[in-house]
Amino acid sequence: ILNVEQSPQSLHVQEGDSTNFTCSFPSSNFYALHWYRWETAKSPEALFVMTLNGDEKKKGRISATLNTKEGYSYLYIKGSQPEDSATYLCAPRYGNKLVFGAGTILRVKS
Amino acid sequence: SAVISQKPSRDICQRGTSLTIQCQVDSQVTMMFWYRQQPGQSLTLIATANQGSEATYESGFVIDKFPISRPNLTFSTLTVSNMSPEDSSIYLCSVESGGAGGYTFGSGTRLTVV
Repeated sequence: ILNVEQSPQSLHVQEGDSTNFTCSFPSSNFYALHWYRWETAKSPEALFVMTLNGDEKKKGRISATLNTKEGYSYLYIKGSQPEDSATYLCAPRYGNKLVFGAGTILRVKS
Repeated sequence: SAVISQKPSRDICQRGTSLTIQCQVDSQVTMMFWYRQQPGQSLTLIATANQGSEATYESGFVIDKFPISRPNLTFSTLTVSNMSPEDSSIYLCSVESGGAGGYTFGSGTRLTVV
């Protein structure tokens, strides 16, 4: 059984704070690392697909890094906004299957 | 990327009954994936459905409990059979969504079994 761990489990921050989450996973035989943002009653939204060839991605205020050798990834949000409130999921891909962590719940207070 | 329509969005069901969840994709896809998220747990893969062949189930999931149909390249159903309160979960379908290697998800079915 592949164990994907995300921390912290939840996070409450003030608007404007910067924050980061961690995802650790077995590094052997993984193909890519996916980050998703999931709001209640909506579809999980793809943030990043990080492949073995790349170690950093950025989209607006959100960025992610990947350490393929040791099997961990960080997701950073700069200047958090209330609309960033969601559950953030990481999922390494092994073959054609995604294995999800339990997620980090982010709540941003205005 | 692909767009998925998933129905129903939520349901409350009596124990012992069955519920069928549908996913319609706006383009043809080879594989469709079905996931479950029980309260407080990770999204877990139930099975992979290919058109024209039987679905491949992950460890801990069986066809009798979660029968899947895949009649064509744009549609699939998952049935949760003989439900018990432990089946209360969010169920999601997913497909690969293009060259970047990402996946697209349906909006989920929130199931409560009473």
